[in-house]
Amino acid sequence: NAGVMQNPRHLVRRRGQEARLRCSPMKGHSHVYWYRQLPEEGLKFMVYLQKENIIDESGMPKERFSAEFPKEGPSILRIQQVVRGDSAAYFCASLQAREAEAFFGQGTRLTVV
Amino acid sequence: RKEVEQDPGPFNVPEGATVAFNCTYSNSASQSFFWYRQDCRKEPKLLMSVYSSGNEDGRFTAQLNRASQYISLLIRDSKLSDSATYLCVVMTGGFKTIFGAGTRLFVKA
Repeated sequence: NAGVMQNPRHLVRRRGQEARLRCSPMKGHSHVYWYRQLPEEGLKFMVYLQKENIIDESGMPKERFSAEFPKEGPSILRIQQVVRGDSAAYFCASLQAREAEAFFGQGTRLTVV
Repeated sequence: RKEVEQDPGPFNVPEGATVAFNCTYSNSASQSFFWYRQDCRKEPKLLMSVYSSGNEDGRFTAQLNRASQYISLLIRDSKLSDSATYLCVVMTGGFKTIFGAGTRLFVKA
């Protein structure tokens, strides 16, 4: 049973480009969270999704950021027109049910140059 | 007030020491509590869940105080390999999982 898979592991984008981060949850998990971690800082909640639904996006910046978790395929975190301040590690976590342990992917390290 | 607050540390302790971390949360309706461990540039991994009655796993003891809205983690007989960042995690009834900023621990020989 593969764990949570995130790709790419490292992503370099120039300012103004788009970044697409993918997360495949563990088999049987229908809840996905995205977190951002800036260097030397803690994890910051961005968005919580279930299949085809955004449940809580209160941590998402209002502009340029969007997330989806389609019926088929991975969850996607999309950042349009990236800026230097978007450089961070983006972690995805999945869980099977409420009050359950969240399993993390290895993260995508985005660098904006 | 932050939803989940932790002392950022760092805590610098010698091998064999006992160290305790506290974490406070603001939402009294929070339902589930966990401690995660994060090594440098790695993903967080579950250390232990925290139950109302308190629970122990080897050298690690976790406790929950709902009245005061805090959870704690006690590490006995610290090892060099315990050096990491410890994250307090709180899950609310809306399934929102909130991580504390983490407490850094350095265990030195």
